[in-house]
Amino acid sequence: EIVLTQSPATLSLSPGEGATLSCRASQSVGNYVVWYQQKPGQPPRLLIYDASNRAAGIPARFSGSGSGTDFTLTISSLEPEDFAVYYCQQRSHWQTFGQGTKLE
Amino acid sequence: QVHLQESGPGLVKPSETLSLTCGVSGYSINSGYYWAWIRQPPGKGLEFIGSLYHSGGTYYNPSLTSRVTISVDMSKNHLSLRLSSVTAADTAVYYCARDAAIFNRPGTFDFWGRGILVTVSS
Repeated sequence: EIVLTQSPATLSLSPGEGATLSCRASQSVGNYVVWYQQKPGQPPRLLIYDASNRAAGIPARFSGSGSGTDFTLTISSLEPEDFAVYYCQQRSHWQTFGQGTKLE
Repeated sequence: QVHLQESGPGLVKPSETLSLTCGVSGYSINSGYYWAWIRQPPGKGLEFIGSLYHSGGTYYNPSLTSRVTISVDMSKNHLSLRLSSVTAADTAVYYCARDAAIFNRPGTFDFWGRGILVTVSS
């Protein structure tokens, strides 16, 4: 099973600041990484697929990069509604999720 | 707009079988895509359970495959999940989701239900 490790576990920032979230895979997953945002009491929301492609309706301040084993989700300037938990997921070999990064 | 809604008992006894249904509206399951079940224990991360292709083929998380069955009722446009021999470790919010399977590779969940909390307890 491919293990995804997200860091940091918690990221404390303020609105207007930039955020960088990391996701490392235990083996190469190509570019098959997906990012989701989850707010309390809600299902996850698809943000980015295949490392760098924004899903429909996702603001341009969200961007993704990486390939192989190291991936990054960047939020250029935090809005109040961006404070949530972010999960990465790989779809190279079955599907597994990281443990999440809480952006507070 | 695709809408998914999970339903079923919120409490299941240990060793019994968990059975959930996911009603889909706004899209016909037999028109395409994969359709998945994903769960999230309280306060924890997400775990893929399994998926069903619109033509009926299924694949499951290897760690759960001996206990899981996912099926579809095309006449009702709904998806079902059965998980047998449950324990407290199966307590979770259970989500159904559409898998856009971009470039025909499963694993891009673009529409989700609100989820249903299932507690395993005697």
